[in-house]
Amino acid sequence: DGGITQSPKYLFRKEGQNVTLSCEQNLNHDAMYWYRQDPGQGLRLIYYSQIVNDFQKGDIAEGYSVSREKKESFPLTVTSAQKNPTAFYLCASSQGVTSSDEQYFGPGTRLTVT
Amino acid sequence: QKEVEQDPGPLSVPEGAIVSLNCTYSNSAFQYFMWYRQYSRKGPELLMYTYSSGNKEDGRFTAQVDKSSKYISLFIRDSQPSDSATYLCAMTTNQAGTALIFGKGTTLSVSS
Repeated sequence: DGGITQSPKYLFRKEGQNVTLSCEQNLNHDAMYWYRQDPGQGLRLIYYSQIVNDFQKGDIAEGYSVSREKKESFPLTVTSAQKNPTAFYLCASSQGVTSSDEQYFGPGTRLTVT
Repeated sequence: QKEVEQDPGPLSVPEGAIVSLNCTYSNSAFQYFMWYRQYSRKGPELLMYTYSSGNKEDGRFTAQVDKSSKYISLFIRDSQPSDSATYLCAMTTNQAGTALIFGKGTTLSVSS
């Protein structure tokens, strides 16, 4: 069963703590992405990775970090430096990063920081 | 002016109605246009994907792109309660590595 998995579905953390969100894909896709979705804001790109051991900042990378040690995995760490971390986080992947490559999304992780 | 504008709705229609969802954009370099459907608390699902101008049909769904007007549309025929969701438009240029730019989404409710 091919697809993108994100865990956990819901995550609660106290302010000041770092938290890591998991994203795994078995589609053999080269490119992976992290987006953040806030009510009324649409999706905004945090980071993306075209190949293993390489990644680029998106529009709102401040307060976030990523790693891409394996093709299948692209974890996102929300650090204490992120001022408004409560949001719905979506991971996506595509075959490559050319514009014709369709992006497929995981089910998302809803993070609540209090 | 935002790069992509999309009326958030909500849009409420009776079952069987024809639904028209729209986005406007400002960047004339956009070449690839997508529509995603997102059910509540789920990830977006790719519905339609078009390149440049023209129409594309898939079952009850038709996507239209008018590059001269910088305007894209998604039509849903014979709408069903299962179509109730948020519809996101997205677009990008033909430059490799360029991110998708999303609209804010339109929430659609189809009542039976």
